Amino acid sequence: ETGVTQTPRHLVMGMTNKKSLKCEQHLGHNAMYWYKQSAKKPLELMFVYNFKEQTENNSVPSRFSPECPNSSHLFLHLHTLQPEDSALYLCASSQEQLNQPQHFGDGTRLSIL
Amino acid sequence: AQKITQTQPGMFVQEKEAVTLDCTYDTSDPSYGLFWYKQPSSGEMIFLIYQGSYDQQNATEGRYSLNFQKARKSANLVISASQLGDSAMYFCAMREQQSGNTPLVFGKGTRLSVIA
Repeated sequence: ETGVTQTPRHLVMGMTNKKSLKCEQHLGHNAMYWYKQSAKKPLELMFVYNFKEQTENNSVPSRFSPECPNSSHLFLHLHTLQPEDSALYLCASSQEQLNQPQHFGDGTRLSIL
Repeated sequence: AQKITQTQPGMFVQEKEAVTLDCTYDTSDPSYGLFWYKQPSSGEMIFLIYQGSYDQQNATEGRYSLNFQKARKSANLVISASQLGDSAMYFCAMREQQSGNTPLVFGKGTRLSVIA
């Protein structure tokens, strides 16, 4: 059990669909993150939430919309995605301390048709 | 400029042998932390080991150890007695303290293949 749970594990959607990815952590962490991992590319940080407030948005297209209703839950709302958005989306959480690792979920493997 | 550089896209090692995965980093912050993660083909990112910039000794966790050379800005991961289950992607990452703690920045990773 990782402590960070992501659902769904796999998602196939068309470009006109709207879907949401969910992330939940029960580790008492105060920061949560969304990363995108494409084939042959390094992990790309998308969004950071600290105490429910968005503190970082790395020039992510508006078709990705994050939501953090509380410090335990993080969503990534998806709409009108493009084929190049197919990737593994990883959620992570951590205490915002220098020596604390980020704990990752198992990821959602997203395929856009 | 890249903050984390992993120069080995792929590495092979014989089972039971030791292997070193390279990582160099770039920062002007005197206070930072270095992390190594393992990512099997199933996708989850597993935290392995941490080294703080002020730590006097190299970090060790079981079969994992970190060869930390601060002046060279390198933090190589050493895996001793490799096992078939060690085959995975390995990522080096850094967090800088600066005015507040920042998210981890990851390198591109090294794919390790352990051969029987």
